[in-house]
Amino acid sequence: RKEVEQDPGPFNVPEGATVAFNCTYSNSASQSFFWYRQDCRKEPKLLMSVYSSGNEDGRFTAQLNRASQYISLLIRDSKLSDSATYLCVVNPGGGFKTIFGAGTRLFVKA
Amino acid sequence: DAGVIQSPRHEVTEMGQEVTLRCKPISGHNSLFWYRQTMMRGLELLIYFNNNVPIDDSGMPEDRFSAKMPNASFSTLKIQPSEPRDSAVYFCASSWTLGKPGELFFGEGSRLTVL
Repeated sequence: RKEVEQDPGPFNVPEGATVAFNCTYSNSASQSFFWYRQDCRKEPKLLMSVYSSGNEDGRFTAQLNRASQYISLLIRDSKLSDSATYLCVVNPGGGFKTIFGAGTRLFVKA
Repeated sequence: DAGVIQSPRHEVTEMGQEVTLRCKPISGHNSLFWYRQTMMRGLELLIYFNNNVPIDDSGMPEDRFSAKMPNASFSTLKIQPSEPRDSAVYFCASSWTLGKPGELFFGEGSRLTVL
């Protein structure tokens, strides 16, 4: 089983739609969780951290479910510019080793 | 502020040649990571350093790969000899210990093609 697993997609949604991605992790001791965004042929960039209580940043909401070992990302009112690959990232704990999921591709269409 | 700087941005070489990729982390960051990205395998952590010391190199594919960090502002990833299957985008990322583990700042990557 991979340490971090994501549905590769692609998710094809119209502008204005709400879309959600899930990611599961295998190490129950994992301590830090993030969502990164990667545009085509660009480097990954931090989108947001994921906290146990859930957190929101504008149209983006991240949730953590430790019991089921998954994190989620919800995007409301999708924009064309949201088209990218979204990478789930987990720090297994005890250091700075950081594991990336394979990513979920999102296409937002007019 | 300058971000993570990688060079070269693109490298095309022939099988058997030595390849050296370079990285300058963000000033003040004390952790540095080398990742490799391919369509098939995604982003793979190769090695990471903390305070210039290699902490975990379990992701380094084989002895042909080596990485060094002689000082806080410079790191290299060397492949010798290179093989076609090494073709990938190699990313360097940095972070700082007082930050949250996992908050990485990536360079633009070095796209390597081995013919």
